[in-house]
This record gives sequence, C-alpha cells and structure tokens, in this order.
Amino acid sequence: EVQLVESGGGLVKPGGSLRLSCAASGFTFTTYSMNWVRRAPGKGLEWVSCISSGNGYIYYADSVKGRFTISRDNAENSLYLQMNSLRAEDTAVYYCATGSPPTWDFDYWGRGTLVTVSS
Amino acid sequence: QSALTQPASVSGSPGQSITISCTGTSSDVGGYNYVSWYQHHPGKAPKLIIYDVSNRPSGVSNRFSGSKSGNRASLTISGLQTEDEAEYFCSSYTTSSTPVFGGGTKLTVL
Repeated sequence: EVQLVESGGGLVKPGGSLRLSCAASGFTFTTYSMNWVRRAPGKGLEWVSCISSGNGYIYYADSVKGRFTISRDNAENSLYLQMNSLRAEDTAVYYCATGSPPTWDFDYWGRGTLVTVSS
Repeated sequence: QSALTQPASVSGSPGQSITISCTGTSSDVGGYNYVSWYQHHPGKAPKLIIYDVSNRPSGVSNRFSGSKSGNRASLTISGLQTEDEAEYFCSSYTTSSTPVFGGGTKLTVL
C-alpha cells in the first residue's frame, strides 16, 4: 500500500523557518518525481514545488521562489521542504504528492501537515 | 498563473447526475489534454479520479467521467452516492510548464 506521511508542521512567527518532511513507502520512491502542494484555509489547492527522481530538475511556484527549498533523500525514501522567511499567507496544510510534468497527474497524496504562520 | 475557475458548490440527490465545470484559458485547459480531477474528503488524502481529461485510474468507479471542450473541462458523476460528498478540484498543465489547480467545488449529496 502506498503511504505518504507528512510531518514537521506547526506554529511559527512571520519571518521564521520550518522544515517539512514526507516519508514514503509502498512504492519505488527513487523512480517518482515528488511535489509539495498546499491548501490555505478557505482556498483551493496551490502547487508549491517539484523535484525529479534523480534531482535532475526542480521547479518552484513564483509565490515561494527564493524562500523555499525542496530536496529528497532517496536512500531514506524521504522528501523535504525547507521554508524560510515565512509569511502569514504561507499558512496552509502542506501535502506531499507524486507527479511530474507534463501531465502533472498527482497519483498519490499524503494527509498533509498544518503550517500556521502567526505572531 | 491564475487559478482555474470552478463553481463553489453543487448539489444533487442520490441516484442523480451532476457536472462540475473547470474553466481556464488557451494557456492551460484549452491548450493541452492534461486535465486532472481530484476528490478530497476532509482530513483525508486527496485522490486522483480522472487524468488526461477523461481517463480513470485503476479502481476508480466508472460513475466518474471527464471531458473537455475548448477552455472548459467537466467532471460528471452519475448515480450519485452519499460517499461522493466531498470537495473536487481540477488541475491543468500550463504554458509555464507548471500545474495550476481550480478553486475547488463542494459537492453536497442531499
């Protein structure tokens, strides 16, 4: 069974940092591109970032470019998102999901971890 | 990239059919056959139910179907069941080579 389990969310002050993790199991992690997608309260889904299976390409949404860094550890079947210079508008549930361009079919998702940016 | 436009809510009775629209532009929905639909029950992981406009992943009920005309994609759910009550999101490839999602549609099964 495919499982994606996010962790690392919490309450952080504006300007602060947080590192999210996603533990993957039940599929060959090393062959999948991985993504972070978020959903702010009362809003729709927003794609955040993508990293290819072999780190060959990395994409970011304009809204997080220069502040967030996506990475992965294929030996540990894990995906990460380092979030710096956090803003109130980054408050959201963050999901990890498989998927790659150009189809961007997000086949598998986790249940998400909540990030709240507030003073 | 602006979010795709979906109705905020739709409703239907058990056994009925409903259709959810997803409107974009020629830079996303209208330009590519890479539209996906997701079902999201609160507190659970979103689930892919349609990919590449009209294809169903293995295990997804054939009550779910997708189509596209011009800049508008549609998700139709036939034979509504109470467990279909959820939020539904569309997404599309864009000319920026990144994906864009819709704002989501809450389906209520009366």
